[in-house]
Amino acid sequence: DTGVSQDPRHKITKRGQNVTFRCDPISEHNRLYWYRQTLGQGPEFLTYFQNEAQLEKSRLLSDRFSAERPKGSFSTLEIQRTEQGDSAMYLCASSSASGPAYNEQFFGPGTRLTVL
Amino acid sequence: GNSVTQMEGPVTLSEEAFLTINCTYTATGYPSLFWYVQYPGEGLQLLLKATKADDKGSNKGFEATYRKETTSFHLEKGSVQVSDSAVYFCALSDLGFQKLVFGTGTRLLVSP
Repeated sequence: DTGVSQDPRHKITKRGQNVTFRCDPISEHNRLYWYRQTLGQGPEFLTYFQNEAQLEKSRLLSDRFSAERPKGSFSTLEIQRTEQGDSAMYLCASSSASGPAYNEQFFGPGTRLTVL
Repeated sequence: GNSVTQMEGPVTLSEEAFLTINCTYTATGYPSLFWYVQYPGEGLQLLLKATKADDKGSNKGFEATYRKETTSFHLEKGSVQVSDSAVYFCALSDLGFQKLVFGTGTRLLVSP
């Protein structure tokens, strides 16, 4: 078990560009979450997948944001027409819906986005 | 809506001092409660959890008890070490899809 991985770890882009982040959850986990963390704050929920279905989206997720989990394994988060306010750490977490670690979310290292 | 309030930091302690980081919550129903820790340069790690009232979560010398009557989940450790220096986040999971609602985090600095 290699844990949750995210790619890239850092991304610097210019305002108006599109960016895409990838998350690979722990292999047997069917639940996947995206969060955003800004400096000095706790993570804020963005969206949630159970298998390949996106079941909840936060109001923080404007129409410039889209997330997918096409085969119920890895997930991508795309931000179109980036703005400086999108600069943050984007965190991915996964969990299992059963077993001894039920309801425990395991976090990846995050992707730090800087929009210039 | 659900929310978590935790004490502002930084909390500065000498090694072997007693630690308390306060956390209170507002939630409908009976959520699960968590403490996560973020060491410098690393990702969030689950430190401990409690899933029902009066449960005590414990790990690495840290403890927290789920107090429904005071809607609190305070983190304690009897003797902190320099290696405990990190940011600590209190969180609750809602009853639907289990998304986490975090507090703003408390930075702990332990000096030798």
